[in-house]
Amino acid sequence: DAMVIQNPRYQVTQFGKPVTLSCSQTLNHNVMYWYQQKSSQAPKLLFHYYDKDFNNEADTPDNFQSRRPNTSFCFLDIRSPGLGDAAMYLCATSLTGGHYEQYFGPGTRLTVT
Amino acid sequence: GENVEQHPSTLSVQEGDSAVIKCTYSDSASNYFPWYKQELGKRPQLIIDIRSNVGEKKDQRIAVTLNKTAKHFSLHITETQPEDSAVYFCAASGSYQLTFGKGTKLSVIP
Repeated sequence: DAMVIQNPRYQVTQFGKPVTLSCSQTLNHNVMYWYQQKSSQAPKLLFHYYDKDFNNEADTPDNFQSRRPNTSFCFLDIRSPGLGDAAMYLCATSLTGGHYEQYFGPGTRLTVT
Repeated sequence: GENVEQHPSTLSVQEGDSAVIKCTYSDSASNYFPWYKQELGKRPQLIIDIRSNVGEKKDQRIAVTLNKTAKHFSLHITETQPEDSAVYFCAASGSYQLTFGKGTKLSVIP
């Protein structure tokens, strides 16, 4: 089945220790998104890629970076995680952008100790 | 940028009753309006969407209405069931990104 896969599902890291979250898709969608979702809040967009074109949200902290080496994979790097970065990180894909459904992956729950 | 407001933030209904969630948006260029259901600890899942050239769309017990002039859209769930209990997010999009409302926690009481 075509899908959006995220690894790992649960990640524990120490304060200040870099961490990378991964997302892959078999839908062959052009657009990939990274969202941060904290408890009882809406998903907050961090970045999106249209193909290889990177788009950073204005309020995304510099501590967060992203890579998309090919159509199928996208990575979220958190350079120096703080306690406030503990959240669910959701990857999503869309065929071509805003007029089409976004398909969400299962998310990675990040804990910072 | 786009701003989406969603009301109410919590909603409790008796099983079998109807539930209505309302959203307003600010950017008249937005033309795609999805609704997502998110159960605790799970991913958001699309339950219905509507585009700006349509005023109403229905899928079994779920319907969405859109008033472009007033810039508001609503989700209607009829004959609610306990498994409808979840957080529901509305969203609006005019380009690549979705702007989400803050969510409505729906509780269906058996």
